Amino acid sequence: GAGVSQSPRYKVTKRGQDVALRCDPISGHVSLYWYRQALGQGPEFLTYFNYEAQQDKSGLPNDRFSAERPEGSISTLTIQRTEQRDSAMYRCASSPPIDNEQFFGPGTRLTVL
Amino acid sequence: DQQVKQNSPSLSVQEGRISILNCDYTNSMFDYFLWYKKYPAEGPTFLISISSIKDKNEDGRFTVFLNKSAKHLSLHIVPSQPGDSAVYFCAEAERAGGYQKVTFGTGTKLQVIP
Repeated sequence: GAGVSQSPRYKVTKRGQDVALRCDPISGHVSLYWYRQALGQGPEFLTYFNYEAQQDKSGLPNDRFSAERPEGSISTLTIQRTEQRDSAMYRCASSPPIDNEQFFGPGTRLTVL
Repeated sequence: DQQVKQNSPSLSVQEGRISILNCDYTNSMFDYFLWYKKYPAEGPTFLISISSIKDKNEDGRFTVFLNKSAKHLSLHIVPSQPGDSAVYFCAEAERAGGYQKVTFGTGTKLQVIP
C-alpha cells in the first residue's frame, strides 16, 4: 500500500518568504508527527496531531512555525518569513490507532537562500 | 545537550562479521528504546525496539542490548550483509498521553563491505 508522502520533495526559497509543506499520512493513521532534521543530526520532534487536534506543539522553535490538520488527514507545516537557519529536511510520520510505530515519509528538503 | 548520543558517526564491517552500533543516553525516564534504519533518499524505518524492563530483545539477525546501569544501548547485527548498509538511528521513546514522543540520536552510518 501507499506509504507516507510529502510534497514538495525539494523547496528552494528566498529569505523572508513563507513556505507550506504538505504531508499525506497513511490512510487510517490517526497520529501524525512533524520532525525537522538538520544535516548530520537525527530527526527532531516539532509537533503531534491526534486526528485534527494538535496535542503537542512543544517542539515548534518559534511562532513563525505553525501546523494544521483540519480534517484529520492531510497536514500542512507552514513557516512564515523564512530564515536561512530554517534550512533542513522536514519529515512527517504517521502511526495507526493501536500500534505506536511511526512510519516516516521521504521528507521535504528546504533550502532558504 | 544531546539526550541520546551516538558517538561513532560511521562504521565499516566485512560481510558476514558482526556489526555493533552503540548508543548512550542521559534521560532515565523512558518507556522504551528504538532503532531506526535509513537508506538514502528515504525516510527512517523502524527496525527493533526494547522495553525499559528488559535487557535484551532479539529479532532474526538483529539483537538490541540495554544496560540501564551504564545508560548504554547497543544493536548487534550478525551476520552483516551488504543490504544492511544504511544510517542507523538510536532513539528513546516516552508514551505521552497516548502517543509516542521520540528523541533521536545523531545516527551511525554503517557500511558492510562485500
